[in-house]
Amino acid sequence: GENVEQHPSTLSVQEGDSAVIKCTYSDSASNYFPWYKQELGKRPQLIIDIRSNVGEKKDQRIAVTLNKTAKHFSLHITETQPEDSAVYFCAASILGLTQGGSEKLVFGKGTKLTVNP
Amino acid sequence: DAGITQSPRHKVTETGTPVTLRCHQTENHRYMYWYRQDPGHGLRLIHYSYGVKDTDKGEVSDGYSVSRSKTEDFLLTLESATSSQTSVYFCAAGGGTEQYFGPGTRLTVT
Repeated sequence: GENVEQHPSTLSVQEGDSAVIKCTYSDSASNYFPWYKQELGKRPQLIIDIRSNVGEKKDQRIAVTLNKTAKHFSLHITETQPEDSAVYFCAASILGLTQGGSEKLVFGKGTKLTVNP
Repeated sequence: DAGITQSPRHKVTETGTPVTLRCHQTENHRYMYWYRQDPGHGLRLIHYSYGVKDTDKGEVSDGYSVSRSKTEDFLLTLESATSSQTSVYFCAAGGGTEQYFGPGTRLTVT
């Protein structure tokens, strides 16, 4: 089955710096890669996602890049702010299979990002 | 909150007792999921459903069962709770890509 590795497990940056979180996946059939943000005591929420037919996607200060050949994808946060402090999870999935249960996500173990003012 | 609720939100129970957690959604999502979240392990899939009465196991399904008799409700049952099942349980629902998570249930087994 799919396995997703996420690094680093903790990341501390100064406000205004950039942060990069990297994930690798094992199943070359995976074609959907979302990123979730979980603030302390809250539920995970989707912040950005990318499909395998796209190499990069941006949304304001957040971007995700995908390298299918190397089977890794990364989250980039620019101009970090204290409210970016949270745990970030990457995930991988195979979309579009006809049989039931194809829409499962396999999550990485998470990265705790701390943005210091 | 995308219409996902969980009950109870907190529960303390004793080893060996049965426990049922409920997830309710109001958006008619086809897929529903149960995860457990533990420090150092991220989110691990317990069971999921791809339709009414259609369920399948996830990566950590031992000791858990599920049922989905209506589109809006997905129940997770611990037949005989153990201390290793102390965790935060999240329900999620979705239509294929984005999964919307519930607020979580903190379960403590003593």
